[in-house]
Amino acid sequence: NAGVTQTPKFRVLKTGQSMTLLCAQDMNHEYMYWYRQDPGMGLRLIHYSVGEGTTAKGEVPDGYNVSRLKKQNFLLGLESAAPSQTSVYFCASSVPWQTNSPLHFGNGTRLTVT
Amino acid sequence: RKEVEQDPGPFNVPEGATVAFNCTYSNSASQSFFWYRQDCRKEPKLLMSVYSSGNEDGRFTAQLNRASQYISLLIRDSKLSDSATYLCVVTPSSGGSYIPTFGRGTSLIVHP
Repeated sequence: NAGVTQTPKFRVLKTGQSMTLLCAQDMNHEYMYWYRQDPGMGLRLIHYSVGEGTTAKGEVPDGYNVSRLKKQNFLLGLESAAPSQTSVYFCASSVPWQTNSPLHFGNGTRLTVT
Repeated sequence: RKEVEQDPGPFNVPEGATVAFNCTYSNSASQSFFWYRQDCRKEPKLLMSVYSSGNEDGRFTAQLNRASQYISLLIRDSKLSDSATYLCVVTPSSGGSYIPTFGRGTSLIVHP
């Protein structure tokens, strides 16, 4: 069972470059999320989606864009990378209205912006 | 006040010890509660859901206190491999927003 798959696992960008992180889930989950995690900061929600074709801003959306053209995929884009976006990025999916239905996480993408 | 609060620790305990963490939440309409374990910036992994009546999984016991709005995690007979960060997650049930809220985690270090 694949679950939630993130690509790439690692990436190094130069300031100003762009890239897209891909998250794919095969569990037919409605909700998908992008988080970033920095030392001492915990997980912070960047953007989320409550269904195909929908996206919404989370806690720290600036500098990122997202798209959910297909239910199983949630893309996170950095149009012009900045060193402040150096972080570990996690994607997750869930069916949160089902009581006790947990989030499922991808393995993470470690991004360094120089 | 943060929506979900945890003592960041670290809790530094010897092998075999019993240790307990609490997590408080502010949204009284919350419906789902979880404990996740995270190792060294790897992805969080579900440790256990927290049920209203409390639940146990081996050495781990989770409890929910809705009146006081907190959940707890008890680890008995700590192992070196239990060293990790433990994240509390709370999902609301009202207002049409089911976005889970994470605590910042409690660090546990189990030493020989």
